[in-house]
Amino acid sequence: GQQVMQIPQYQHVQEGEDFTTYCNSSTTLSNIQWYKQRPGGHPVFLIQLVKSGEVKKQKRLTFQFGEAKKNSSLHITATQTTDVGTYFCRGSGGSNYKLTFGKGTLLTVNP
Amino acid sequence: GAGVSQSPRYKVAKRGQDVALRCDPISGHVSLFWYQQALGQGPEFLTYFQNEAQLDKSGLPSDRFFAERPEGSVSTLKIQRTQQEDSAVYLCASSLGGGGHQETQYFGPGTRLLVL
Repeated sequence: GQQVMQIPQYQHVQEGEDFTTYCNSSTTLSNIQWYKQRPGGHPVFLIQLVKSGEVKKQKRLTFQFGEAKKNSSLHITATQTTDVGTYFCRGSGGSNYKLTFGKGTLLTVNP
Repeated sequence: GAGVSQSPRYKVAKRGQDVALRCDPISGHVSLFWYQQALGQGPEFLTYFQNEAQLDKSGLPSDRFFAERPEGSVSTLKIQRTQQEDSAVYLCASSLGGGGHQETQYFGPGTRLLVL
């Protein structure tokens, strides 16, 4: 079945440093969603990308969808302690349009 | 309601015991999803309802798992004869329309199940 791979699994940064997580699929994705899950919390929707090469920004967060629609990235500029959590991508592809979550990237920020 | 709610928030069960987990979706949301999330992993899809119809149950790991949504609102996930490997957080999510997996999903706080 379709798999969505996410790297890195963990990332520890100093407050103020940038952070990037990558999501890769072996098949073309019709769309991709990004979620954030705080420790002990539940996934919260951040954004959805649909178009090839699409770039969306939310304050310090920049989301990109690759030209081939097989990969995506989330970049955080100048991390803050409030950015701590696990970031999941969730991709849809194939004939049944079933979305699969990646395993997530756990971000920790040292103040 | 303001958001998706789930109960109980925590459940400890003895191996072999049956459990029932409840989900109250956002009022008016057509679609409802159940996920299983093991520690350090992403949510794994279990099943999907559109109103009262269970359209996809391909993610249910065994016939010990059963879900229902008889009136198209509240849903219950039942696990019979629980096993230790069932220990996980069970997340419920709802979405507004019948667009299935493509729509934005709103997650509940989850039920943390521990099977001893």
